Amino acid sequence: DTGVSQNPRHKITKRGQNVTFRCDPISEHNRLYWYRQTLGQGPEFLTYFQNEAQLEKSRLLSDRFSAERPKGSFSTLEIQRTEQGDSAMYLCASSLGTGVDGYTFGSGTRLTVV
Amino acid sequence: AQTVTQSQPEMSVQEAETVTLSCTYDTSESDYYLFWYKQPPSRQMILVIRQEAYKQQNATENRFSVNFQKAAKSFSLKISDSQLGDAAMYFCAYRRSWNSGGSNYKLTFGKGTLLTVNP
Repeated sequence: DTGVSQNPRHKITKRGQNVTFRCDPISEHNRLYWYRQTLGQGPEFLTYFQNEAQLEKSRLLSDRFSAERPKGSFSTLEIQRTEQGDSAMYLCASSLGTGVDGYTFGSGTRLTVV
Repeated sequence: AQTVTQSQPEMSVQEAETVTLSCTYDTSESDYYLFWYKQPPSRQMILVIRQEAYKQQNATENRFSVNFQKAAKSFSLKISDSQLGDAAMYFCAYRRSWNSGGSNYKLTFGKGTLLTVNP
């Protein structure tokens, strides 16, 4: 297991298009998190899964955003009708148990909406 | 809500010297976890060091150590014998204790400090 994998690394899309990102966590990790990082800011929490259950969504996650984690394995984050304000780095992380030892982060997907 | 403040947007250090990055946080809780993460350019965020608030002893990981001042709500990171590979963005993060209920799994990050290491 080589860690948390995110695809694609970069995505350029036109405003109004839909995009989907994928995250493959460390296989034995039961918790998965999505964060968004804009330029000059620290990552901001978006949503969290414990196994396949999505347990919390930040108010940052508008109704254009949806995340899934079927079968408690990989996760997808979809943004519909993208806006320029959605341009950011989308980070995925996973942890075993409560994550008190810290998360393992992926390298992120950088989204540019033009 | 908890907040994390990193007051130094940028810092620089000479190779082999020591540098300290500052972090303060605001919380009404007594039990929590603090982390320092390193994010090299275009690479993934890596955990550098963690501190449990109920432990008085400052955490140390090789050249990295923290100065945890619970009453002052301060959590600074000291990097000794700085190396070129230490150049990165450093983020301080807060997490509620696992037994505090509510959103005790998400990290709250500061805005980061960009560390430059000069040869």
